[in-house]
Amino acid sequence: SQKIEQNSEALNIQEGKTATLTCNYTNYSPAYLQWYRQDPGRGPVFLLLIRENEKEKRKERLKVTFDTTLKQSLFHITASQPADSATYLCALDLLGGGYNKLIFGAGTRLAVHP
Amino acid sequence: NAGVTQTPKFQVLKTGQSMTLQCAQDMNHEYMSWYRQDPGMGLRLIHYSVGAGITDQGEVPNGYNVSRSTTEDFPLRLLSAAPSQTSVYFCASSYSSGLAGESTDTQYFGPGTRLTVL
Repeated sequence: SQKIEQNSEALNIQEGKTATLTCNYTNYSPAYLQWYRQDPGRGPVFLLLIRENEKEKRKERLKVTFDTTLKQSLFHITASQPADSATYLCALDLLGGGYNKLIFGAGTRLAVHP
Repeated sequence: NAGVTQTPKFQVLKTGQSMTLQCAQDMNHEYMSWYRQDPGMGLRLIHYSVGAGITDQGEVPNGYNVSRSTTEDFPLRLLSAAPSQTSVYFCASSYSSGLAGESTDTQYFGPGTRLTVL
């Protein structure tokens, strides 16, 4: 069966440390993989997109890796801050090209403590 | 730009009632979608559209209709509400610039509509 899995338990880390979130999938061949941030009561906010032929992408304190052999993406937040506390969603884009056909994981809640 | 707007923010329906969730975007995006989000589950795609007059089904389309008569608007209709349709509904829009090195395919989500069906 097709699955996309993120750590269901909340991730608690100390301010200044690096947070690493995992997204694993089975029986999909995504063209792209995307990461979103969602705050309580709000819609998801796009953070990063990585294509199947890219190994790593960075944006400011964020880094995403994409291993299509392991079928896994890792999302890193370096020098984490309490303001980074939120739920982070990964999404598989099966078609690419902005067609909006995304398959979402359930999300991992990150709590950064001062 | 207002981005993606959704109305209403909250709605309570009785089983069997019908209603339309409104979604509009002012970014001239070609692609629009509707998702629902339930506790402990990821967002699931209901319907999507790649342009005016073109719609297609997503993962969970049953009980919902859509139409896309303009680029800006993409309403979602519940034909006969059921308790299983209690959820938070998100509309999203996107475009693909196709430029090398650009972050294309960014999706913009609306603030959501929280629907309860009694």
